[in-house]
Parts: sequence; C-alpha cells; structure tokens
Amino acid sequence: DAKTTQPPSMDCAEGRAANLPCNHSTISGNEYVYWYRQIHSQGPQYIIHGLKNNETNEMASLIITEDRKSSTLILPHATLRDTAVYYCIVGDINDYKLSFGAGTTVTVRA
Amino acid sequence: SQTIHQWPATLVQPVGSPLSLECTVEGTSNPNLYWYRQAAGRGLQLLFYSVGIGQISSEVPQNLSASRPQDRQFILSSKKLLLSDSGFYLCAWSILGQLQETQYFGPGTRLLVL
Repeated sequence: DAKTTQPPSMDCAEGRAANLPCNHSTISGNEYVYWYRQIHSQGPQYIIHGLKNNETNEMASLIITEDRKSSTLILPHATLRDTAVYYCIVGDINDYKLSFGAGTTVTVRA
Repeated sequence: SQTIHQWPATLVQPVGSPLSLECTVEGTSNPNLYWYRQAAGRGLQLLFYSVGIGQISSEVPQNLSASRPQDRQFILSSKKLLLSDSGFYLCAWSILGQLQETQYFGPGTRLLVL
C-alpha cells in the first residue's frame, strides 16, 4: 500500500538541475515527506524532509505544494555522483517506521 | 559524531546453516534500531525495529529473528537459512523520541545463500 508515486526513472545532464516529482495525494496532517537516496551497493542516505514549508539544505531543496498532495526534490547542480535511486517517503510523526517504495532511478549523464 | 557498523560486509552461506549479523551504533544513546532487507532489484523491506533493549517488533513473518542485547547492539539471526534469505541486509538507527523520523543507515551486509 504505497503512499507515494514516483516515476521509475529519469535522466539528467551533468551541471543542470534535476527535478524529481512525487505524488502523495493521501497524505495526512501528521505526515512528513522524506527523501532518501541509495547509491549502488550502499545503504540509503537521508537527503531532506519537510511538513508543509519548502526546505533547503546543502544537498537539495524540497518544494511541497500548498495542498501537500505532491512535492519536488531539486538537486540544483547534478553531478555524476548523484546517480542513484531516489526514494520519496511519507512518514507519520507518531510512527517509528518508514516504508520505502521502488523510488526513481536517476542517471546523471556527462 | 554518530557511526553505525555492520559486519560482515559479505557472506556466503549454505542452505540450512545458521546466521548471525551484527550491527552496532556509536556516539548516541537509546537509539531506535532497524533491520531492512533488499532483494536483488527490489526496494527495501523493513524486517524488525526496536525502541529499547529487549524490545523487538517484527514487520513480516519470516525465517529470521532479531535481538537487542545491549542499547547500541542489534543482531539479526536465523537458525536455518533458506535460499530466499539472500539479499542486502541493512541496519539503521534513528533518534529515540524525536518526532521527525530521520534514519541513518549502515554499509550493509550482502548475503548469498547457496
């Protein structure tokens, strides 16, 4: 029972911004949006999370729509090392668990 | 700073043999601890999580068990491995009591059951 929908794959040119969409139309008021990524053969890495406001850190920006039914992760200047599977996850603040779906495989090309 | 260790990094075991994978966390106290499995080409499946010593919650019925003998130690075990137990096993921790559930993952153990 996936709570999020992501495209299975996308390509991005090195040095350009990568915009990764995620739909979460059934998100509830207590649920945050989290983004993780998994580089091949490594454990997942936390990127960013948000509730309703847009967020930015040293890795990425997270844009959440006003109705919170969708969000976009922005990698401002993609590099080859950003090639990974990116997971958009909706998590309840009162829960201990995160459910990882299939994610989006992002390939950054030179 | 906090670090999470898993060992071994790679393991090849025959069907029917026992299994013990260990995970330890340094630099934090009372963490939430998690075991995930990722089969080849698949997403992550949460197997177990623990909010304290001796407290284990199982997410899916399976051939595996987990134990937490110490605050920062989490062990994944099996008495008899099946072929379907092959996969990439990941341990993760998060800060107990924090509402925002950011999890930090270890390097993983790649298990091949033959």
